[in-house]
Amino acid sequence: EAQVTQNPRYLITVTGKKLTVTCSQNMNHEYMSWYRQDPGLGLRQIYYSMNVEVTDKGDVPEGYKVSRKEKRNFPLILESPSPNQTSLYFCASSGGWGNQPQHFGDGTRLSIL
Amino acid sequence: ILNVEQSPQSLHVQEGDSTNFTCSFPSSNFYALHWYRWETAKSPEALFVMTLNGDEKKKGRISATLNTKEGYSYLYIKGSQPEDSATYLCAFPLNDYKLSFGAGTTVTVRA
Repeated sequence: EAQVTQNPRYLITVTGKKLTVTCSQNMNHEYMSWYRQDPGLGLRQIYYSMNVEVTDKGDVPEGYKVSRKEKRNFPLILESPSPNQTSLYFCASSGGWGNQPQHFGDGTRLSIL
Repeated sequence: ILNVEQSPQSLHVQEGDSTNFTCSFPSSNFYALHWYRWETAKSPEALFVMTLNGDEKKKGRISATLNTKEGYSYLYIKGSQPEDSATYLCAFPLNDYKLSFGAGTTVTVRA
């Protein structure tokens, strides 16, 4: 089954404790992206990757890091999480940047205390 | 600042009625326009990717039109059913390989 898998689905943690949210897709997609969703603000792009070893900042990259060492994986790293990073996060992949639909993971709800 | 604007923010429709709502986007440097349906407690699912001015797409009772010259797209739901209750998002690819999403229109279908 074609899918995008995120882990964990839920996480409650404390300020400053490094965490990683993993994302993996099995569709051989080149384009992958991370979004956060906050009430009233819609989905905002954090980082995206056009291919292996090619990543770039989205609209809200501060406080996040990503890597793309393999085509299927695109982890999101919060080196020193802060309460303002409490949000619902989605990973997505697509066969192309603009003319292909995004396939979303199930989401990760992070609470930073 | 959102490049993409959706209106209305929310709407209520009686079961069986039809409805429509709008996505506005920059008319210059158009590449494509995406529509997604996002049901509560699930993840967004793609409905349409539209690329040509005048394009019309249909999926069951849901259809969409596109006007790239004036920068808007309409999504129509014909004969709304409770399962159509969801937030509908549009997204606009930007020149620098980013994807800009609107804040969504939340549709509630009353039985």
